[in-house]
Amino acid sequence: GENVEQHPSTLSVQEGDSAVIKCTYSDSASNYFPWYKQELGKRPQLIIDIRSNVGEKKDQRIAVTLNKTAKHFSLHITETQPEDSAVYFCAAKETGIYNQGGKLIFGQGTELSVKP
Amino acid sequence: DSGVTQTPKHLITATGQRVTLRCSPRSGDLSVYWYQQSLDQGLQFLIQYYNGEERAKGNILERFSAQQFPDLHSELNLSSLELGDSALYFCASTRTGNTDTQYFGPGTRLTVL
Repeated sequence: GENVEQHPSTLSVQEGDSAVIKCTYSDSASNYFPWYKQELGKRPQLIIDIRSNVGEKKDQRIAVTLNKTAKHFSLHITETQPEDSAVYFCAAKETGIYNQGGKLIFGQGTELSVKP
Repeated sequence: DSGVTQTPKHLITATGQRVTLRCSPRSGDLSVYWYQQSLDQGLQFLIQYYNGEERAKGNILERFSAQQFPDLHSELNLSSLELGDSALYFCASTRTGNTDTQYFGPGTRLTVL
């Protein structure tokens, strides 16, 4: 089955700096890679996602890149703000046999701290 | 607000007991996924239902079971509870026609004493 590794586990940056979180996956058949932001005790919230037919996607200060050959994808946050502080999870969708959704395999999470 | 609802928000119970967690997906979503989040295990997939039928299973314990009803809400049943079952339990649903994006509910925090 799919396995997702995420690094680093903690990341501390100064406000205004950029933050990069990296993930690798094992199953070349995986074709959907979402990123979730989770604040303490709250639900994971989707912040950006990318499909395997796209190499890069950007939404304001957030961007995701995907390298299918190397089987890794990364989250880039520019001009970080204190409210970006949270735990970020990457995930890969393991294709279900009925192609109806498929389960998400999550990385271990990165705790991002943005210091004012 | 994702549109996915879960009840109860908090549940405190004793070892050996049985509890039922409830999830209502977004309107029109046919797929429901259950995840367990504990401090040392991260977010772990438990089980998926699609329109009432089981579609995928993760490392779900035999003490755990789930079902999806005709109105598409889902219940996760946890029995013979152990201390290690204490965790946040999330459900997520996917939109009909866009089966990739999973929207998470607010979760149920289970504490087993």
